[in-house]
Amino acid sequence: RKEVEQDPGPFNVPEGATVAFNCTYSNSASQSFFWYRQDCRKEPKLLMSVYSSGNEDGRFTAQLNRASQYISLLIRDSKLSDSATYLCVVNMRDSNYQLIWGAGTKLIIKP
Amino acid sequence: SQTIHQWPATLVQPVGSPLSLECTVEGTSNPNLYWYRQAAGRGLQLLFYSVGIGQISSEVPQNLSASRPQDRQFILSSKKLLLSDSGFYLCAWTIDSYNEQFFGPGTRLTVL
Repeated sequence: RKEVEQDPGPFNVPEGATVAFNCTYSNSASQSFFWYRQDCRKEPKLLMSVYSSGNEDGRFTAQLNRASQYISLLIRDSKLSDSATYLCVVNMRDSNYQLIWGAGTKLIIKP
Repeated sequence: SQTIHQWPATLVQPVGSPLSLECTVEGTSNPNLYWYRQAAGRGLQLLFYSVGIGQISSEVPQNLSASRPQDRQFILSSKKLLLSDSGFYLCAWTIDSYNEQFFGPGTRLTVL
């Protein structure tokens, strides 16, 4: 079983729609969670950290479910510029607290 | 504010040639530094990380090596490149292992 798993997609979504991704992680002792965005042929950029109580940043909402060991990202009113690959990242004690990266979910927003 | 630099942006090298990629961070002290590689359409693979000058941890055995000669400088090297070394090489920094990482613009390496 992979330590961090994501649906690779692609998710093809019309502009203005709401889209949600999930990411599962294997280590119940994980302590830090993040969503990154990566545009084609560019470096990953931090989108948002994920807090236990859930957090929102504009059209983006991130949630953590420790019992089921997954995090989610919800994008409302999607824009063409949201097209990118979204990477789920988890900090795991077993890996000496290094970040473990999911392979990413590709999102394509269509006009 | 902190910035991270990587160079060169692109590199085409023949098999068997040496490699040296450099990464520098500005605006912070004693950062944790990381080298990742990303193959086309794949996730990030951690190659090396460093928590201080001269301290290097290797995650994947291969023909690459890393060095940290100064607090904010991280170098990735190879004596002889293989075809399989092609990829997108990313340097990242963080305050500590619990926090988010910030990436440089990356070096796209093609080994022919």
